Amino acid sequence: EIVLTQSPGTLSLSPGERATLSCRASQRISSSYLAWYQQTPGQAPRLLIYGASSRATGIPDRFSGSGSGTDFTLTINRLEPEDSAVYYCQQYGNSPRYTFGQGTKLEIK
Amino acid sequence: EVQMVESGGGLVQPGGSLRLSCAASGFTVRSNYMSWVRQAPGKGLEWVSLLNSDGTTEYADSVKGRFIISGDNSKNTLWLQMNSLRAEDSAVYYCARDQVSVTYPVYGGPTYYHYMDVWGKGTTVTVSS
Repeated sequence: EIVLTQSPGTLSLSPGERATLSCRASQRISSSYLAWYQQTPGQAPRLLIYGASSRATGIPDRFSGSGSGTDFTLTINRLEPEDSAVYYCQQYGNSPRYTFGQGTKLEIK
Repeated sequence: EVQMVESGGGLVQPGGSLRLSCAASGFTVRSNYMSWVRQAPGKGLEWVSLLNSDGTTEYADSVKGRFIISGDNSKNTLWLQMNSLRAEDSAVYYCARDQVSVTYPVYGGPTYYHYMDVWGKGTTVTVSS
């Protein structure tokens, strides 16, 4: 089973700053199978990035994804208060079919 | 508009059963890959089960043999039959559409993408005596 480890656990930044969130896989994975989601309190997850670097429909270009192999990054530029959320990376694999990272909580001060 | 609405959650005793439903609109459930994902209180996301467009089903080890995923064309609904429920099954259950897309680069073979592009709002299951 591939394990996804996200870091940091919590990130506290100010509006206008840049957030860099990491997702590390225990084995090499295909970039096309790596996605990022945003979840605000009480809400369902929302797709941000798929294929490691493609933005989902309606996602502002402040959000970008990069990486390959075992190391992937979600970058959020020009932070806004509504970016406060928990961010999850996810990979599509064999068994189990999908795994998620444990999440990074982003706080906007 | 593409959307999904879950229902069927509630309080059930350990060992009991519950059937969740996910009513879809704007697309056809059985023509897509569909998943159930759950989130225990204060915890992260956990994939539970997948129904492929060809009818193949897959399950997380934690629910294998207890949960059954199925789809209904006439109602355009995804189901999750949950049996032998345990306290650790308590969670918000989300249905999600698995988007499968493909690109054909100039060189090399096709590249397949898998991700969950549409989510319902979730339904809460509590297993407690």
